[in-house]
Amino acid sequence: EVQLVESGGGLVQPGRSLRLSCAASGFTFDDYAMHWVRQAPGKGLEWVSGISWNSGSIGYADSVKGRFTISRDNAKNSLYLQMNSLRAEDTALYYCAKDWAAVPRYYFDYWGQGTLVTVSS
Amino acid sequence: EIVLTQSPGTLSLSPGERATLSCRASQSVSSSYLAWYQQKPGQAPRLLIYGASSRATGIPDRFSGSGSGTDFTLTISRLEPEDFAVYYCQQYGSSPRGTFGQGTKLEIK
Repeated sequence: EVQLVESGGGLVQPGRSLRLSCAASGFTFDDYAMHWVRQAPGKGLEWVSGISWNSGSIGYADSVKGRFTISRDNAKNSLYLQMNSLRAEDTALYYCAKDWAAVPRYYFDYWGQGTLVTVSS
Repeated sequence: EIVLTQSPGTLSLSPGERATLSCRASQSVSSSYLAWYQQKPGQAPRLLIYGASSRATGIPDRFSGSGSGTDFTLTISRLEPEDFAVYYCQQYGSSPRGTFGQGTKLEIK
């Protein structure tokens, strides 16, 4: 059974940093691209960032480019999102999502339950 | 930049009825690279349809997707109580990839 478990969310002040993690199990992690998708409270879905199986292809939404960094550790079956210079508009539930393919195809066949990030003073 | 517009915003139907949800793109979606997701309150989204018309693993055959170019449809042939949820379309063929529509809420009438 595929499982994606996010952690690392919490309350953080504007301008500060936070690092999210996603622990994957139930599939061969290094065979697939992975993504972060977020959902602001009561709002729709927004793709944030994606990374290929070997970290050779990485992409970011314009809204987070230059502030967020995605990475993965295939030996640990883990995905990360380093979030710097956080803003109030980054407040959201952050989902870890598995791609269908090794290089990003940008649709997601499995999702975690999310970790909540709240940016507020 | 492709923008996806879903309609209606809210659809009120009864169990057993047929639901038709629309997703319109501001420009043609490359190779019918369109997906549909279902999201229930407090849950993560679930992939229903990819490639505009292919059902994901384990998805009941009452769910079907159709369309091409700029107009796509998700049809639920006979609504079950568990089908009432929010549905999102997503295009993944053109830049910026991974963009979602704003969602359609399917509620019990």
